[in-house]
Amino acid sequence: GAVVSQHPSRVICKSGTSVKIECRSLDFQATTMFWYRQFPKKSLMLMATSNEGSKATYEQGVEKDKFLINHASLTLSTLTVTSAHPEDSSFYICSARSLGTGGEQYFGPGTRLTVT
Amino acid sequence: GIQVEQSPPDLILQEGANSTLRCNFSDSVNNLQWFHQNPWGQLINLFYIPSGTKQNGRLSATTVATERYSLLYISSSQTTDSGVYFCAVLDSNYQLIWGAGTKLIIKP
Repeated sequence: GAVVSQHPSRVICKSGTSVKIECRSLDFQATTMFWYRQFPKKSLMLMATSNEGSKATYEQGVEKDKFLINHASLTLSTLTVTSAHPEDSSFYICSARSLGTGGEQYFGPGTRLTVT
Repeated sequence: GIQVEQSPPDLILQEGANSTLRCNFSDSVNNLQWFHQNPWGQLINLFYIPSGTKQNGRLSATTVATERYSLLYISSSQTTDSGVYFCAVLDSNYQLIWGAGTKLIIKP
């Protein structure tokens, strides 16, 4: 149980284009989903928290117009990197939490984004 | 905010050895999770442990909340145990605060 999928697993795009990453909870309803970014050899950095049906809450320093987050259903959240630049290249990881887990988060396998 | 410190930062062991990883945190927390990030980046939940001791096969974890630390024990290490082990605590907003991780390399 508690499986989270992410798609795509890796993507290469050209500078200036937009990329959408999907995060799905496969066997539970995720009232809250989180988006993280991980730099090489570092721990995870929280970008934003999204609750189903409401606007995402972004961490300080994260541009909400650049990283668009949608959490339209209890099993799906999307992160769209708009007008991507090479500095947006990174490993993006989503996690999901259900009401019944008391705070435990389950993580997707991550998406490796490379902007050329 | 809450600070989370993990030690050691790096650990190299021979297959079959035992190891203890430590996580210290600076304030009261709602809960604590241990994760293993494999070489492909996947984070695997190991333990969700606010206090006490839990065991799962060759792994076990103990959290002493009153003294603000948790320990992860790995016995009879295997090469597949290699990766980075993260400790993360839940703060009052139920957000995860991460330690810097312990990079474990198990040599055959």
